[in-house]
Amino acid sequence: GAGVSQSPSNKVTEKGKDVELRCDPISGHTALYWYRQSLGQGLEFLIYFQGNSAPDKSGLPSDRFSAERTGGSVSTLTIQRTQQEDSAVYLCASSALVDTQYFGPGTRLTVL
Amino acid sequence: GESVGLHLPTLSVQEGDNSIINCAYSNSASDYFIWYKQESGKGPQFIIDIRSNMDKRQGQRVTVLLNKTVKHLSLQIAATQPGDSAVYFCAENYGGSQGNLIFGKGTKLSVKP
Repeated sequence: GAGVSQSPSNKVTEKGKDVELRCDPISGHTALYWYRQSLGQGLEFLIYFQGNSAPDKSGLPSDRFSAERTGGSVSTLTIQRTQQEDSAVYLCASSALVDTQYFGPGTRLTVL
Repeated sequence: GESVGLHLPTLSVQEGDNSIINCAYSNSASDYFIWYKQESGKGPQFIIDIRSNMDKRQGQRVTVLLNKTVKHLSLQIAATQPGDSAVYFCAENYGGSQGNLIFGKGTKLSVKP
């Protein structure tokens, strides 16, 4: 079956611009996660959605970062006024249970 | 704070040999652990998991061992193949309401032909 998909696969933007990253989770998965991975580093948790509950935003690094999940499915991560330190791979994952997460291919964001 | 870490950042093995990747965790409340494999340019791929009520679990060519006494997790890959070359991450879930996993920094496995 279809896995988690993300778009775009690559995004190059100028400092100060806003960007939107999209995640389509596996159908039926109630939980959706966003992570950030800097070059050669581990995964940094950003935000977590579970069903209709309020999202856990504890990992968002600043108020320039926000995320929405519409209809319990597709999610959009928005970064406003991008900075060079925002350059990273942004990974989305979904799960049917709280535990096992299945990841998408990621969006590589480059801020010039 | 609590963290998950790895003993070795890089590991180079000969094709056909067995590989062992280690991970230390510090949160004694962690009750679920996962190993992920990440190939270059791809997202992490689930390999195997284990719950804290177990000390060993086997998959296809992979075995995960959990030692709760010393808070240590290992991934064993039998007959390592070139396709096993990747970065391997361990992750823990301490049963928090958030459901998010805490990832280690990863170990890069290189398989020499």
